[in-house]
Amino acid sequence: DSGVTQTPKHLITATGQRVTLRCSPRSGDLSVYWYQQSLDQGLQFLIQYYNGEERAKGNILERFSAQQFPDLHSELNLSSLELGDSALYFCASSKTSGRTNEQFFGPGTRLTVL
Amino acid sequence: TQLLEQSPQFLSIQEGENLTVYCNSSSVFSSLQWYRQEPGEGPVLLVTVVTGGEVKKLKRLTFQFGDARKDSSLHITAAQPGDTGLYLCAGSGSNDYKLSFGAGTTVTVRA
Repeated sequence: DSGVTQTPKHLITATGQRVTLRCSPRSGDLSVYWYQQSLDQGLQFLIQYYNGEERAKGNILERFSAQQFPDLHSELNLSSLELGDSALYFCASSKTSGRTNEQFFGPGTRLTVL
Repeated sequence: TQLLEQSPQFLSIQEGENLTVYCNSSSVFSSLQWYRQEPGEGPVLLVTVVTGGEVKKLKRLTFQFGDARKDSSLHITAAQPGDTGLYLCAGSGSNDYKLSFGAGTTVTVRA
């Protein structure tokens, strides 16, 4: 158990819908990262927040957005869902936002778009 | 974006054999991490290497960071079925806060 929690574990929805994925970091960790993992793309970095502020952005679509709240939990919002958005979404956390940060991953949310 | 290439993509060996997984890039990394992931679960951090030429051992696993900090290897001695999983390397550059992941090596250890 990494100490990172994600809800829900599974999510099934239809194209065009909007969903919210939630992540609680390990106690004491200030950075939260979101990743998408699909069979053909591997693990892709989406976005990082550090202590409530956006710190780095990866291959995140404009239809996706995220935020980190004062209690440090984070939410990833996915809208206008398409079939290709079906994937595993992971949240990770680390103590700092430094370049040698060690990230600890949650169990993931499996999103299926029908 | 810094690209990390892992090889081989798949590896199937018999219990007790040794194996090596490689992670290569044309870019220099300030640090490199290895993770293991089991199906449907999140990656689990195994080790972080930061110094060129560094060697770290974790029981039967040996990790090496290349002198130029562009490549790394993971060697498993006397593999066991519990070593089965997807091994991922990930690196962050000197001007980059995010981790770039390799595509992974799927290791299967047969009993």
